[in-house]
Amino acid sequence: QVQLQESGPGLVKPSETLSLTCTVSGGSISGSYWSWIRQTPGKGLEWIGYVYYRGNTNYNPSLRSRVTVSLDTSKNQFSLRLTSVTAADTAVYYCASRGKTGSYYFDYWGQGALVTVSS
Amino acid sequence: SYEMTQPLSLSVALGQTARITCGGDNIGGKDVHWYQQKPGQAPVLVIYSDSNRPSGIPERFSGSNSGNTATLTISSAQVGDEADYYCQVWHTSTVVFGGGTKLTVL
Repeated sequence: QVQLQESGPGLVKPSETLSLTCTVSGGSISGSYWSWIRQTPGKGLEWIGYVYYRGNTNYNPSLRSRVTVSLDTSKNQFSLRLTSVTAADTAVYYCASRGKTGSYYFDYWGQGALVTVSS
Repeated sequence: SYEMTQPLSLSVALGQTARITCGGDNIGGKDVHWYQQKPGQAPVLVIYSDSNRPSGIPERFSGSNSGNTATLTISSAQVGDEADYYCQVWHTSTVVFGGGTKLTVL
């Protein structure tokens, strides 16, 4: 069973860069798509972007100018960088893996990491 | 961008059937996936590709999709089914979530 675990600072100052890492265990990071999704307090889910194990990426158009998702196959990890953060970026950030059938859905999720943007 | 509409909330009596809808333009032409999220927890996939249940999801959960509406059906609703439910599709190379429905079991 694949397990995902987010890690990174829980507090980021406005205008700085948010950085999170997702460690994948119980399976290889190779051969799949790996996504970041966030959920603002009391609100719904927002997809941020994905990285394919070969390095291809795709981002939510609303965040594209500020987001980078990358992976480190040697560590079985993938990461999120979100630049120029504001209070609106305060959210629980989840990492998730794409399901194995042809359609695009998320079969495994991390437990989530709360990131607060505040000075 | 593609938008999907879900009712903000839905109440169902214990043991009755809950039907949670997800509306979108010709959503019947897309694969719809459903997630259950309980307070303080990560979402859990309960239905994928319109009507398929992942391993470990009770048979009480089923899904359908046609025209402009996809539906998640929970038969014989239990107190443990109280949660937020989100629909999700893949549209023009992006992932789109519905706004979510809070299900209350009375």
